Amino acid sequence: EAGVTQFPSHSVIEKGQTVTLRCDPISGHDNLYWYRRVMGKEIKFLLHFVKESKQDESGMPNNRFLAERTGGTYSTLKVQPAELEDSGVYFCASSQEQGQETQYFGPGTRLLVL
Amino acid sequence: GEDVEQSLFLSVREGDSSVINCTYTDSSSTYLYWYKQEPGAGLQLLTYIFSNMDMKQDQRLTVLLNKKDKHLSLRIADTQTGDSAIYFCAERKWGSQGNLIFGKGTKLSVKP
Repeated sequence: EAGVTQFPSHSVIEKGQTVTLRCDPISGHDNLYWYRRVMGKEIKFLLHFVKESKQDESGMPNNRFLAERTGGTYSTLKVQPAELEDSGVYFCASSQEQGQETQYFGPGTRLLVL
Repeated sequence: GEDVEQSLFLSVREGDSSVINCTYTDSSSTYLYWYKQEPGAGLQLLTYIFSNMDMKQDQRLTVLLNKKDKHLSLRIADTQTGDSAIYFCAERKWGSQGNLIFGKGTKLSVKP
């Protein structure tokens, strides 16, 4: 069974540009989470989808971030326009049922905004 | 203070035991987790413990939970060079939608 996959693995963009990150959860997992780790800081929760619905987006930093999960399968996280402080590693995780104890994480996308 | 705190670095010799410590602030935490991140890789779930337990053992890994002191530890017996990684402690709070709260991670270096 394939794990959580993320694309791209790395992205280097200039301030003001747009970047779209993609996450493919484990097949059959209704719950999808986005997290972010800024250099030297904790991994912080961004938002949570249950199927195609946003269950909790309390961690989204501002309206430059837009997450979607059309069809309840893969998800995208778009940053527009990107700022320097958006640099970090963006992780996606999925779990089968809400409240299930195990979240499986993808390898992350390393974003660098110059 | 931060919700979850960990020491940033730990260095041990190969074959010794490693103990990575974590403290958390919310007594309503339901599950507590240890994740491992190897260089350039994602987060790998190592183990987790439900808050009504005080110990869990899985091969070389032993998790101890002291709810009174809100202290969690991960002991790795017979530490190997392949155990070198960053170890993240995380908690899931009661009533949360499932999002995890992480510490900053402890970088474990294993010297031959």
